[in-house]
Amino acid sequence: ETGVTQSPTHLIKTRGQQVTLRCSSQSGHNTVSWYQQALGQGPQFIFQYYREEENGRGNFPPRFSGLQFPNYSSELNVNALELDDSALYLCASSPSGSRDEQFFGPGTRLTVL
Amino acid sequence: GENVEQHPSTLSVQEGDSAVIKCTYSDSASNYFPWYKQELGKGPQLIIDIRSNVGEKKDQRIAVTLNKTAKHFSLHITETQPEDSAVYFCAASGRSNYQLIWGAGTKLIIKP
Repeated sequence: ETGVTQSPTHLIKTRGQQVTLRCSSQSGHNTVSWYQQALGQGPQFIFQYYREEENGRGNFPPRFSGLQFPNYSSELNVNALELDDSALYLCASSPSGSRDEQFFGPGTRLTVL
Repeated sequence: GENVEQHPSTLSVQEGDSAVIKCTYSDSASNYFPWYKQELGKGPQLIIDIRSNVGEKKDQRIAVTLNKTAKHFSLHITETQPEDSAVYFCAASGRSNYQLIWGAGTKLIIKP
């Protein structure tokens, strides 16, 4: 069974640019959640996608947006990057019968200069 | 708002001893409490979880206890080993949308 995968592993961008991060969910999982983890802190919920629809959003501005595709993979897009967006971005997938059980990928480390 | 407090922030124990990490949650509607282990450069790994209809759950050297009245839950690791060294996070389900509210993490150091 393949776990959650994320790409790229690392990314460096400059302020004002746009970035797209990708996530492939674990086999059999139809829910994807995205989190932002700043250095030395716990993850902060960005949003969740269930059956290609946004299913809840945390306290993040609209320049954070996402998509979920029919194969349940997902993208996180961030526009107009700010220095504070530098963080580890984590994707988690959940099985349909237990959407609060979240299994995480390795994350994408984003650095904004 | 919803929050989860986690203590201690750092815990150093001798190899073979037990380690206990405690969390308190604020939202009485929370009904799912997972614990994650995060090693350097990796994503969080789910190690054990408990739901609000259960008071205790054990999996080999790891156990979790839940006190709904006090809104406390704890992680217990017995017979600690060097590979247990990592940052441990507790989390609680949010009021809606299956989001998890996370504690700030505990850095567990196992001394040889």
